[in-house]
Amino acid sequence: QQQVKQSPQSLIVQKGGISIINCAYENTAFDYFPWYQQFPGKGPALLIAIRPDVSEKKEGRFTISFNKSAKQFSLHIMDSQPGDSATYFCAATSSGTYKYIFGTGTRLKVLA
Amino acid sequence: NAGVTQTPKFQVLKTGQSMTLQCAQDMNHNSMYWYRQDPGMGLRLIYYSASEGTTDKGEVPNGYNVSRLNKREFSLRLESAAPSQTSVYFCASSRDSSTEAFFGQGTRLTVV
Repeated sequence: QQQVKQSPQSLIVQKGGISIINCAYENTAFDYFPWYQQFPGKGPALLIAIRPDVSEKKEGRFTISFNKSAKQFSLHIMDSQPGDSATYFCAATSSGTYKYIFGTGTRLKVLA
Repeated sequence: NAGVTQTPKFQVLKTGQSMTLQCAQDMNHNSMYWYRQDPGMGLRLIYYSASEGTTDKGEVPNGYNVSRLNKREFSLRLESAAPSQTSVYFCASSRDSSTEAFFGQGTRLTVV
């Protein structure tokens, strides 16, 4: 019930294309869903996050879509660029628990 | 603005040796965390400290101990290192639960 399942494991996209990464969860108590971006040799950095009271959040080329009834959320990267090549992690947590549950990561490669 | 600082960045230990990983944050955050990252497994929580003076076990605490020295510092100790503890270790901090977690640059630990 504590798992966050992330897919795909790896993704190759052409420059200018759309990258889509999906996550699914079971625990309905989760109330904060961040996406982290990690470059090789660096720590994860927050990319964008959403709370379950909204179905979509957009920041620049990055959009989170959230489906509360299906217990799924996804990251869309529009106009993907080679500089977006990184590993992306979804995560979930609930107030008061201090436990961020991370997905297993998606390695994205954007071809120039 | 340093954010979350971890030391050392790299370490090689022999089986049975002990060591302490240091972490400090300068964002006046209440909560601090230690994660380990292994290929294909995402980030797994080892221990966390919800606030100064408290620590709690995460998903994979066996073989580790922690100390919340003060609000800024949270250390992770391996008393008797094992090859299974070869991993990349990340310290993180957040203002509270269900808020953005900021990560350090990581410590790459190899136990031989």
